[in-house]
Amino acid sequence: AQKVTQAQTEISVVEKEDVTLDCVYETRDTTYYLFWYKQPPSGELVFLIRRNSFDEQNEISGRYSWNFQKSTSSFNFTITASQVVDSAVYFCALRGTGNQFYFGTGTSLTVIP
Amino acid sequence: GAGVSQTPSNKVTEKGKYVELRCDPISGHTALYWYRQSLGQGPEFLIYFQGTGAADDSGLPNDRFFAVRPEGSVSTLKIQRTERGDSAVYLCASSPDRGRDDTQYFGPGTRLTVL
Repeated sequence: AQKVTQAQTEISVVEKEDVTLDCVYETRDTTYYLFWYKQPPSGELVFLIRRNSFDEQNEISGRYSWNFQKSTSSFNFTITASQVVDSAVYFCALRGTGNQFYFGTGTSLTVIP
Repeated sequence: GAGVSQTPSNKVTEKGKYVELRCDPISGHTALYWYRQSLGQGPEFLIYFQGTGAADDSGLPNDRFFAVRPEGSVSTLKIQRTERGDSAVYLCASSPDRGRDDTQYFGPGTRLTVL
């Protein structure tokens, strides 16, 4: 079975605070791919990152960083020094060896000025 | 370049009617996906095309739903005898190639409301 769990439904932070969005996945596939997408109020999903199961290196892109840990089946996303423009719903997704992508239920992030 | 486009952006219909939702993928993208997103939920997979053929339609909820991609580019999702439970945002995504690069780029969606 393939499944993505985003236990945090809603998070609010004050601008400039750091925030981590959790993602836990389940899969029996040895090869799989993990993704994060941002869905701002406008509604269009924006691709943030793709990571395959063989690459456990953490990645940093500007204020964004991702921590992939196979031992805990987690792929967490941290925003450093959050800004109001970061307010959105963030989705974690998984694709195994099949065709389907499995999305979590999303975490709604509100950054308060 | 142009992203994925979907038309119409909003569709209101009555229960029992037939609707068609259109997706124009990014030029050159061979893979195309349809998803349905209900309020407060993540996108739910419906169907995947590789080229002209539906490689995986296991996410279609029932036989009222059908999708085509006759020339390997534009795709149409068709829903017959619509029901109130079909109300959702229907998302389309395309990717360059499922094998080499399966990163999906999403369109803005079509909000379907069945009265």
